[in-house]
Amino acid sequence: TQLLEQSPQFLSIQEGENLTVYCNSSSVFSSLQWYRQEPGEGPVLLVTVVTGGEVKKLKRLTFQFGDARKDSSLHITAAQPGDTGLYLCAGQFASGSRLTFGEGTQLTVNP
Amino acid sequence: GAVVSQHPSWVICKSGTSVKIECRSLDFQATTMFWYRQFPKQSLMLMATSNEGSKATYEQGVEKDKFLINHASLTLSTLTVTSAHPEDSSFYICSAHQAGGAYYEQYFGPGTRLTVT
Repeated sequence: TQLLEQSPQFLSIQEGENLTVYCNSSSVFSSLQWYRQEPGEGPVLLVTVVTGGEVKKLKRLTFQFGDARKDSSLHITAAQPGDTGLYLCAGQFASGSRLTFGEGTQLTVNP
Repeated sequence: GAVVSQHPSWVICKSGTSVKIECRSLDFQATTMFWYRQFPKQSLMLMATSNEGSKATYEQGVEKDKFLINHASLTLSTLTVTSAHPEDSSFYICSAHQAGGAYYEQYFGPGTRLTVT
């Protein structure tokens, strides 16, 4: 079974703080995606990484893909209340399109 | 582009009845669609993979006779929850893989909230 471990599962911080969410597997990803989901809505794609060592930035969000393509991280700088939501990593372990999701990180940013 | 819709967005039904949820790719053709269910504050759990014109592939532990999936066209897949019970209450989300698109591209619908009373 190919598993994708995401941590932490819950995170409550104050506005302005930084945070990092991790996504790890013992298997190699062919690609990995990060999503953000609001209650009652579908996941919204933030980024896709496919190359080992890749770093992508989206405003205050920085995504890294491990050199070995087995892990990824999402770093948020100066978090804002609008960043509150469920963050999900999802990976593909082969070139097929089936996604395996991590457990999710419920982020709460308090004003 | 690449918009996926779901209908209905929410539904309440009585135990024992069946409910059909539609997933449509509005501006592209989807050779493969996926169905997920999600419980509150939890991640998405893949239920089945639906390929146009063929039988769906169900994940382990998902009853294929209870969750009927039909992918009759390149823009429509349906999930029918048969003989629904309160434990089937959940958030159901579909996604679609665009024909000819990059293997990792998948577009998610807005979800359907099912409540069984």
